[in-house]
Amino acid sequence: AQSVSQHNHHVILSEAASLELGCNYSYGGTVNLFWYVQYPGQHLQLLLKYFSGDPLVKGIKGFEAEFIKSKFSFNLRKPSVQWSDTAEYFCAVNEGDDKIIFGKGTRLHILP
Amino acid sequence: DAGVIQSPRHEVTEMGQEVTLRCKPISGHNSLFWYRQTMMRGLELLIYFNNNVPIDDSGMPEDRFSAKMPNASFSTLKIQPSEPRDSAVYFCASSFTSGRAAEQFFGPGTRLTVL
Repeated sequence: AQSVSQHNHHVILSEAASLELGCNYSYGGTVNLFWYVQYPGQHLQLLLKYFSGDPLVKGIKGFEAEFIKSKFSFNLRKPSVQWSDTAEYFCAVNEGDDKIIFGKGTRLHILP
Repeated sequence: DAGVIQSPRHEVTEMGQEVTLRCKPISGHNSLFWYRQTMMRGLELLIYFNNNVPIDDSGMPEDRFSAKMPNASFSTLKIQPSEPRDSAVYFCASSFTSGRAAEQFFGPGTRLTVL
């Protein structure tokens, strides 16, 4: 079965620090990859996605992610975080044609 | 577009009562997903439909849970009887899939508390 691993369950950073959240997946077929964000008390929203083409994907709010096929990874990055980035971040990958499997999530807390 | 609509937003009920959660997907989307989110277990896929047909219900916890999608614009998730351990936020999501899994759009969720 498909699986998604997010290495960090909880990350605490100061404003302006750089961010990298790890994500590895196990699916061996053609992959669609996603990062979603869930702000406190809200629903999940798409940050960025990779379907094909340039493995470096840019999303909203200054986030980007790099698909490294040889490492089965899709890490999320942001060069300088803000207090408003405090949220939970979910990596996800497709399983087959319809379903998306979500990781357990990483809670990011930014200190002002 | 109004996005995915869920109702109610909050539900408080007593153990043993029937609970019905409702979802209206985005118009034109052909796949609908029900998720449950808790602190302990994270985000779990309960069931999903494609073109109103249930495709995978392996995530439904037990027979107390059932879901229907009578038409392309409406789905329900029912818990009967409800138990305190069912307390969670239930999200509905929809997408348009055409051979490859696509971005899912999430509703605001229903926060269920079973006393």
